[in-house]
Amino acid sequence: AQKVTQAQTEISVVEKEDVTLDCVYETRDTTYYLFWYKQPPSGELVFLIRRNSFDEQNEISGRYSWNFQKSTSSFNFTITASQVVDSAVYFCALSDLSGGYQKVTFGTGTKLQVIP
Amino acid sequence: GAGVSQSPSNKVTEKGKDVELRCDPISGHTALYWYRQRLGQGLEFLIYFQGNSAPDKSGLPSDRFSAERTGESVSTLTIQRTQQEDSAVYLCASSPLWQGINQPQHFGDGTRLSIL
Repeated sequence: AQKVTQAQTEISVVEKEDVTLDCVYETRDTTYYLFWYKQPPSGELVFLIRRNSFDEQNEISGRYSWNFQKSTSSFNFTITASQVVDSAVYFCALSDLSGGYQKVTFGTGTKLQVIP
Repeated sequence: GAGVSQSPSNKVTEKGKDVELRCDPISGHTALYWYRQRLGQGLEFLIYFQGNSAPDKSGLPSDRFSAERTGESVSTLTIQRTQQEDSAVYLCASSPLWQGINQPQHFGDGTRLSIL
């Protein structure tokens, strides 16, 4: 069965600090997809990244980076030099064979507040 | 517009009334999802449509909830005999299908439902 755990409910950092959002997942499948979405205060969820289970290479996009480690079933998200505009709720999500790679299970989200 | 459109954006109704929420997906997106997000909570999967296949209704919380979609077009989520616990933002998302795998979801702005 699919499960996504985001243990950090809320995080506050001061602007320019680095912050890492944790995501731990459970799946019995060897092929699966992981996602991160951002939900700013305006409410609309925005897709950030998708990673398949065969690609463990870490990815960097500007100030964002993702660390995928199958050994620990984690897909953590780091924001470098945080900015106030990064304040949002961030969701980690998973789709796997049990859901036909169709159904996506979301974590409960981590609310990030960046203080100026 | 080119995004997922939901209507109404806000709905206030009395307990016991029926409500109908509408989602207009992005043209060409075969997959359509409904989620519920209670205040300060994560996304709760409700139902998933994929083309003309039978929908995955596994997330519907009770028989008061139902949803329809004709082909790859508009979907409506209906809640009968609303209860106060139904108060939430109802989010719709759509995604295209590529090589049998759903691509990242595009979310609408949601319908904020308040039950008095």
